[in-house]
Amino acid sequence: QKEVEQNSGPLSVPEGAIASLNCTYSDRGSQSFFWYRQYSGKSPELIMFIYSNGDKEDGRFTAQLNKASQYVSLLIRDSQPSDSATYLCAVFLASYDKVIFGPGTSLSVIP
Amino acid sequence: EAGVTQFPSHSVIEKGQTVTLRCDPISGHDNLYWYRRVMGKEIKFLLHFVKESKQDESGMPNNRFLAERTGGTYSTLKVQPAELEDSGVYFCASSQNQGGETQYFGPGTRLLVL
Repeated sequence: QKEVEQNSGPLSVPEGAIASLNCTYSDRGSQSFFWYRQYSGKSPELIMFIYSNGDKEDGRFTAQLNKASQYVSLLIRDSQPSDSATYLCAVFLASYDKVIFGPGTSLSVIP
Repeated sequence: EAGVTQFPSHSVIEKGQTVTLRCDPISGHDNLYWYRRVMGKEIKFLLHFVKESKQDESGMPNNRFLAERTGGTYSTLKVQPAELEDSGVYFCASSQNQGGETQYFGPGTRLLVL
């Protein structure tokens, strides 16, 4: 099992819909969880971070963390074509003492 | 406040040549990280500096890679001699504190070894 797993996609949603991106991780001792957005040819850009179980909302973005299930998700409400990008889940794995990235999920928002 | 900067943005070299990548972290960030993303793969950790000291270099692929951070400011990553499989995008990131602290990424250096 890889340390951080994501569905590679591509995930296609119509404009205005909710996009749901999922991530699972292997280390129960993980402490910090990050979602980065990466446009083609650009560097990863931090969208949100979450440390505690539950939901964290920031504008159209909601991160959800369930440590018991070792699962973190990112919801994008009212998806826009400009949201089309690769979304990287990153987890600070305590056992490795470093941030490990998932492979990324490609999201395409169709106008 | 300036972000993380990297130089060059692109580099095309022949197998066997040497390339040196540079990263300037956000001012005041003691922690500097190097990552690499090869085609179709996830971003992989290479190493972590705390100031001028190598905290963790467990991700360095082999001894053809040498990273330095003299003075604890900017860092260089040298590949010598370069091989075809070294092609990819090399990202640098920095953070104020280590552990689970948010890392801010530079634009990356796209390296192509022919």
